[in-house]
Amino acid sequence: GDSVTQMEGPVTLSEEAFLTINCTYTATGYPSLFWYVQYPGEGLQLLLKATKADDKGSNKGFEATYRKETTSFHLEKGSVQVSDSAVYFCALSSAGNNRKLIWGLGTSLAVNP
Amino acid sequence: EAGVTQFPSHSVIEKGQTVTLRCDPISGHDNLYWYRRVMGKEIKFLLHFVKESKQDESGMPNNRFLAERTGGTYSTLKVQPAELEDSGVYFCASSQNSGANVLTFGAGSRLTVL
Repeated sequence: GDSVTQMEGPVTLSEEAFLTINCTYTATGYPSLFWYVQYPGEGLQLLLKATKADDKGSNKGFEATYRKETTSFHLEKGSVQVSDSAVYFCALSSAGNNRKLIWGLGTSLAVNP
Repeated sequence: EAGVTQFPSHSVIEKGQTVTLRCDPISGHDNLYWYRRVMGKEIKFLLHFVKESKQDESGMPNNRFLAERTGGTYSTLKVQPAELEDSGVYFCASSQNSGANVLTFGAGSRLTVL
């Protein structure tokens, strides 16, 4: 069945460092891909998404490109801030239908000043 | 607009007891979803309501779990009797239509079964 594999954390970075969180997927058809973020004490929030191959999602300085050839959707940010400390989840939904989001394990990011 | 509200934020109960979690979706959102994250594991889909009807309950773990959405507004998820392995964070989400690919999540209800 469909699955998402996400790099394990925790990840600890200094402020202004470059961030990459790897995400690869297995799916039939053409899924939509998502990154969600959970800040401490808050709910899951959609960070960015891409619905077809080669689409780039971006938000708050984060980017991820839907790579069909490598079945990947890696999250990147050029310069992290302390406020980016959170748990990041990669997810997919099959055929553009989000009834059943399939999730990665989540990656905890801590950014130190 | 108000977001998705979940109550309680944290519940600690003993094995064998009953707990009821509540979710208030965004007003006007017909679609309501329950997900669960057990510690160390992926977030897993539990079920999906469209208004008051269960559209898909394939993720419900067993018959100790009962979800309802009377009147198509708020939803409850009851666990009876609770077992240790039910501990985790239960997330509720809503969307205006099932074709939309964006869900709005609540902050989650953390359940600890001792």
